[in-house]
Amino acid sequence: EVHLLESGGGLVRPGGSLRLSCAASGFTFSNYAMNWVRQAPGKGLEWVSFISGAGDSTHYADSVKGRFTISRDYTKGTVDLQMNSLRADDTAVYYCAKDGCKTSSCYNNHWGQGTPVTVSS
Amino acid sequence: DIQMTQSPSSVSASVGDRVTITCQASQAISSWVTWYQQKPGKAPKALIYGASNLLDDVPSRFSGGGSATHFTLTISSLQPEDFATYYCQQTNSFPLTFGGGTKVEVK
Repeated sequence: EVHLLESGGGLVRPGGSLRLSCAASGFTFSNYAMNWVRQAPGKGLEWVSFISGAGDSTHYADSVKGRFTISRDYTKGTVDLQMNSLRADDTAVYYCAKDGCKTSSCYNNHWGQGTPVTVSS
Repeated sequence: DIQMTQSPSSVSASVGDRVTITCQASQAISSWVTWYQQKPGKAPKALIYGASNLLDDVPSRFSGGGSATHFTLTISSLQPEDFATYYCQQTNSFPLTFGGGTKVEVK
């Protein structure tokens, strides 16, 4: 059974940093791309970042490009999102999602429960 | 960037009703559309990928259609557990983008 568990969320001041982690299990980790998707309070879904199964391709939403970095650790089976220069509009629940494909994005068929990030002074 | 315009933003319906949600892409995206269902406080759940392919464990009352720029999600006979918010997403090109969502409410 596929299981995704996010951690690392919390309260951070504007301009600060936070590192989210997603522990994945129940599937061959290197065979699937992974995504981070966020949802601001009372708002819709916003795709944040993508990393391919091999880790050789990454993509970012314009709103986070240059501030966020996605990476994956094959020994630990984790996908991380390093978030720097955080702003109030980064406040959201952040979801880790497993893609149905390896080299590009097809669909997210498994999701974690989400970890909340609040950026406030 | 590809914009996904979803309509309506909300719909009031009764159990047994047929409900159709549409998503318009700002440029042709072949069939690279996924539909998600989200209930309050829960993570989204993928229902349909590739515009018309039902994922495992998704009831057959859900169906998807369309190609290029116009896509639909239809619930043939609304059930109590179907009251939720639905989103389309394009995976044709990065940055991936979601529609604004459609809330299906009790009439």
